[in-house]
Amino acid sequence: DAKTTQPPSMDCAEGRAANLPCNHSTISGNEYVYWYRQIHSQGPQYIIHGLKNNETNEMASLIITEDRKSSTLILPHATLRDTAVYYCIAATTSGTYKYIFGTGTRLKVLA
Amino acid sequence: DSGVTQTPKHLITATGQRVTLRCSPRSGDLSVYWYQQSLDQGLQFLIQYYNGEERAKGNILERFSAQQFPDLHSELNLSSLELGDSALYFCASSPRTPESSGANVLTFGAGSRLTVL
Repeated sequence: DAKTTQPPSMDCAEGRAANLPCNHSTISGNEYVYWYRQIHSQGPQYIIHGLKNNETNEMASLIITEDRKSSTLILPHATLRDTAVYYCIAATTSGTYKYIFGTGTRLKVLA
Repeated sequence: DSGVTQTPKHLITATGQRVTLRCSPRSGDLSVYWYQQSLDQGLQFLIQYYNGEERAKGNILERFSAQQFPDLHSELNLSSLELGDSALYFCASSPRTPESSGANVLTFGAGSRLTVL
């Protein structure tokens, strides 16, 4: 599975969009990009995933560059409850595998 | 409630002891993953099972072992406990099978917090 790199921390004003970047320059063609978040010490929560195209759901949007070497998770209107550690993962589409989490980005939403 | 149940929620024990953490996956999920998260650290992948069979292994210590039973629940056994084993232990499940292709979304439990004194 490709290694991902994320900034260790970011701040965002409440009500503004939070844009969280992830670098996965060694990603292969059969690897999805997944985003999870962990609020305090709770179990990680799935947010969104994508392969090539940009994706949007009720929680967030995922923008993947054309070369697939990086992506951005967008929380359109961040709230205080979005304060969490956000993990970007690249993992293969086939078979069973390790599903490795990196160190993530600690997002703090400021009032 | 994510549908993944982990017990116990909290466990305090002494060094040298042995504990068992239990995980019941979401209904219909055949794959179970175990992770360890020490204080202010990331999630370390330990081991993965599919339908009772070990499928992938991470940096799991020899003192740790796991298994998945026919009813699909899984247990993580930690023995000869050391202070450094104090951590949150998470279980996750997914519908992934060895023949699957496409996305693999994990659903996590609330975790078991182990404190070794």
